Amino acid sequence: DAGVIQSPRHEVTEMGQEVTLRCKPISGHDYLFWYRQTMMRGLELLIYFNNNVPIDDSGMPEDRFSAKMPNASFSTLKIQPSEPRDSAVYFCASSRGGPAPYNEQFFGPGTRLTVL
Amino acid sequence: AQSVAQPEDQVNVAEGNPLTVKCTYSVSGNPYLFWYVQYPNRGLQFLLKYITGDNLVKGSYGFEAEFNKSQTSFHLKKPSALVSDSALYFCAVRDGPTDTNAGKSTFGDGTTLTVKP
Repeated sequence: DAGVIQSPRHEVTEMGQEVTLRCKPISGHDYLFWYRQTMMRGLELLIYFNNNVPIDDSGMPEDRFSAKMPNASFSTLKIQPSEPRDSAVYFCASSRGGPAPYNEQFFGPGTRLTVL
Repeated sequence: AQSVAQPEDQVNVAEGNPLTVKCTYSVSGNPYLFWYVQYPNRGLQFLLKYITGDNLVKGSYGFEAEFNKSQTSFHLKKPSALVSDSALYFCAVRDGPTDTNAGKSTFGDGTTLTVKP
């Protein structure tokens, strides 16, 4: 298996522009998570899905952020409009579900976003 | 509610010496506990987990962790550190199966481990 795939790996954009980050989870995984990592705030959970349905989006910072999971093999995180304070590394992770809620998460390589 | 604390931002050890990275947790039910490692410019990688059973859990790269229910701790250990173990380590906790947010883990702030030659 190729693991969790994220694209792009790096994104540099200007304030006000729309940014779309993409994620392909590991096949067969029921959970998908979006995290943001910065030096100041550490690792933050933004939103997670179970079987393509958003379960908890309480970590989404504001309405500028939105996430979708149209099918089991694809998810997007969109920021519109982007601001310099959105600069961070964004990680996607997936895990198995089923009757066992104690499965570990598999992280993608991350997308490093820089908003100028 | 679930929470996890990593009381040390940094741990420094000499190569060949034992290492310990500390983690304490708080859950309302039975805890599921995890350790992850992050190397520079990489995503987090799973190291080991405690679900139930033996309090000493063995994981990847020679790491192990000891679950202590009375002290609500889950410290990561390795008998002999390598320079290549230098990385950022995260402890994570998930509440038991009665938690409605059963898919969600809470991560600590991370501890930077530096192993010097």
